[in-house]
Parts: sequence; C-alpha cells; structure tokens
Amino acid sequence: DSGVTQTPKHLITATGQRVTLRCSPRSGDLSVYWYQQSLDQGLQFLIQYYNGEERAKGNILERFSAQQFPDLHSELNLSSLELGDSALYFCASSVAGNQPQHFGDGTRLSIL
Amino acid sequence: EDQVTQSPEALRLQEGESSSLNCSYTVSGLRGLFWYRQDPGKGPEFLFTLYSAGEEKEKERLKATLTKKESFLHITAPKPEDSATYLCAVQAPMYSGGGADGLTFGKGTHLIIQP
Repeated sequence: DSGVTQTPKHLITATGQRVTLRCSPRSGDLSVYWYQQSLDQGLQFLIQYYNGEERAKGNILERFSAQQFPDLHSELNLSSLELGDSALYFCASSVAGNQPQHFGDGTRLSIL
Repeated sequence: EDQVTQSPEALRLQEGESSSLNCSYTVSGLRGLFWYRQDPGKGPEFLFTLYSAGEEKEKERLKATLTKKESFLHITAPKPEDSATYLCAVQAPMYSGGGADGLTFGKGTHLIIQP
C-alpha cells in the first residue's frame, strides 16, 4: 500500500461529458502529480502541485485542469471528453521534488 | 527533449535464470533515475532511485546500476512473483523549467518468470 488514495477506481461516461478524479496524497507529502497511462503513449506526466500551488506542467490538454486544496488532496478535472481520453489516470505524491514519487492505483476512465 | 528507451519490450525467463533489463536515456543533466515495478491493475511501485553515474542500489533479488547513458536492472535467480512490468523514469534538472519535477517514463519491460 503506497498510502496514496484515488477515487473512483473506475469511471464510465460519454463523449462531451466532464468528470472529476480525486487523490489523497501520502501523509506528509506536499507535492502531488497527475499522470496519464495509455497503451500507445505509456505513462505521461500531466501536472504537478506543491502545497496548493501549481508547480509544473507537462503534456496536459487545455480541456484538463487540476487543483490542490488546503488539506493537500487534489482533483483532476477532465472536460469535453473525447474517445481518446480513455486511459488510466494516476496520482503520485512525494515529500520534495527530487524524492521518489509514490503512486496510487489509478482511476480507469472509459469514454463510450 | 528527454527520452527514455527500455529494452527488451518483453522477456520470458525460467525461474532462477538471471538477466538484465536496460534503460537508455538522453537528458541534459540527470537529476535522478527511478525504477518502478507495475503489476496489472495497480499503480507503479517505487523500487530505486539513482542520482549519479557509478551508483548502485540493491533490494532482494534486484540490483540497479547507473552510467552516464543508461541504467540496468539486474535480476538474480528470479522467482515467479518477480513477474511484472518494470518501468524506468528520468527527472530533468530544475533549470529546464516546464515539467521539471515530472518524470519521463520509458514504455517498460514486461517480465514473465516461469516456474
């Protein structure tokens, strides 16, 4: 058990819809990261928050956004969903930027 | 652009048959190289971090090594429970901006250990 909790485990929705994925980091970790894993692209970094502030952006689409709340949990919002957004979305957390990132078990998003 | 290439894509070994997985990387000034293990339906599980060429880390049957261009994950006398996908990731220097703390992952080596 990594200590990182993600909900829901599975999400099925339709094109054009909006969903919110939730992540609770390990106790004491200030950094939260979001990654997308698809069969063809592998694991890709989307965005990082540190202590409530956006710290770094990766390959995140404009339709996607995230935030980190005062209690350090984070949410990833995906809107105007397309078939190609079907993937596993992972959250990870770390104590500091160059320390190991510990991953949750992901949310599997299926777009019908 | 940072790149990570893992080989082989898949590897099937007999129980007890030692082997090595390769991770080649191109990054301007490596801040850290990370190895993870991923089981089906689970998130990546952290194994090792290597920070500089020549560094080695060991854990049970696994040993990770690092050079200036590549890292190896050596598996000694593997058991069926070592079957998983092994992922390598690199972290770029802080001055590169953008996604500096985010990891760039390879596509992984799918390892199967047969009893």
